[in-house]
Amino acid sequence: EPEVTQTPSHQVTQMGQEVILRCVPISNHLYFYWYRQILGQKVEFLVSFYNNEISEKSEIFDDQFSVERPDGSNFTLKIRSTKLEDSAMYFCASRVRTNQPQHFGDGTRLSIL
Amino acid sequence: GNSVTQMEGPVTLSEEAFLTINCTYTATGYPSLFWYVQYPGEGLQLLLKATKADDKGSNKGFEATYRKETTSFHLEKGSVQVSDSAVYFCALLYSGGGADGLTFGKGTHLIIQP
Repeated sequence: EPEVTQTPSHQVTQMGQEVILRCVPISNHLYFYWYRQILGQKVEFLVSFYNNEISEKSEIFDDQFSVERPDGSNFTLKIRSTKLEDSAMYFCASRVRTNQPQHFGDGTRLSIL
Repeated sequence: GNSVTQMEGPVTLSEEAFLTINCTYTATGYPSLFWYVQYPGEGLQLLLKATKADDKGSNKGFEATYRKETTSFHLEKGSVQVSDSAVYFCALLYSGGGADGLTFGKGTHLIIQP
């Protein structure tokens, strides 16, 4: 069964550095998402992406964040200048169309030192 | 705004016990409701879903019924196994206004003892 893959599984970065989290959605999917889960808290929606543009973003997704689909397979989340509070598990998800469920990757654990 | 409330965990049960994990929601309009499961070291997997009132979602022996009158979507299983140990997330998707991000509850950690 096709799945969403995320790399790396764990990223350690110094505060203030830029970080890029990578995702390969399922190949025929058209809608892409990023979520995060701070340790011990709920999974929170960050952003959705369709047709090469952001379709919705939450209050968390401020100017430090950006997303990109640089080619036909990858979907990336960039954090420009990381803060300690960016430490979390980041999940990528995709779905084929709006009335189908979202499929999630295994997540990238981001640790900011 | 939309929100999901789940019972706090961890929930510890013996094998073959009956399971209920409560989930209630607040939303405008008519959301779709989901249960996702996260096994240790893995990502979120869709367990079941219901898209309208009185729908029952079911999968792997788990069931949940979309109750509009009580705004609930409680997860049940008649006889749990050790392999059901995981974190369970209730979530909603509000289908109006172009929004398509899921709203999750905090998750309920289920521990099944042999």
